[in-house]
Amino acid sequence: AQSVTQLDSQVPVFEEAPVELRCNYSSSVSVYLFWYVQYPNQGLQLLLKYLSGSTLVKGINGFEAEFNKSQTSFHLRKPSVHISDTAEYFCAVSGGNTGKLIFGQGTTLQVKP
Amino acid sequence: DSGVTQTPKHLITATGQRVTLRCSPRSGDLSVYWYQQSLDQGLQFLIQYYNGEERAKGNILERFSAQQFPDLHSELNLSSLELGDSALYFCASSASGWGEQFFGPGTRLTVL
Repeated sequence: AQSVTQLDSQVPVFEEAPVELRCNYSSSVSVYLFWYVQYPNQGLQLLLKYLSGSTLVKGINGFEAEFNKSQTSFHLRKPSVHISDTAEYFCAVSGGNTGKLIFGQGTTLQVKP
Repeated sequence: DSGVTQTPKHLITATGQRVTLRCSPRSGDLSVYWYQQSLDQGLQFLIQYYNGEERAKGNILERFSAQQFPDLHSELNLSSLELGDSALYFCASSASGWGEQFFGPGTRLTVL
């Protein structure tokens, strides 16, 4: 079975500061990892994905994440956040012979001016 | 815009009723997924279809059913509705049976 744990339910940060949203996963098979963002009253938008290859993955809006197999982590980072980054962020894992996504509980990023 | 469309956007109904949610995947995508998002359960995978066939099943209640039609659109049927079924229901699609998924805007279901 697969599971995802997002270690922080809320992360408050000031504008232009760096941020890291933490995600740990558990799986008995090789995994694919994703970060999605959900703005208020909207659907989920893919930020970035790790399928294979380089463990440092760059996504949209200046976000990046690093896949660490030994620590079973896939933390999301951004060097300088903007007010517009305020949203809910979800880490997800898939693997095995289906593409179903298992999501973490989400982290609310609150960017303050 | 992800290219995935869902109708209706909002649905308000009463306990015991039956509703149908509709999803049209991105052009060319063969796989459709349904997810439920609620405050207490978070985002939960319900069911996946690939080219008309059921591929995987998650935490889907027996009162819920789905299908994917030859034109690849999908419908999620929810029956004998209970207050606890109130949630956001998302559809997602992918080109193959795995990899990145593109999500629709969701259908917000309110059961009164």
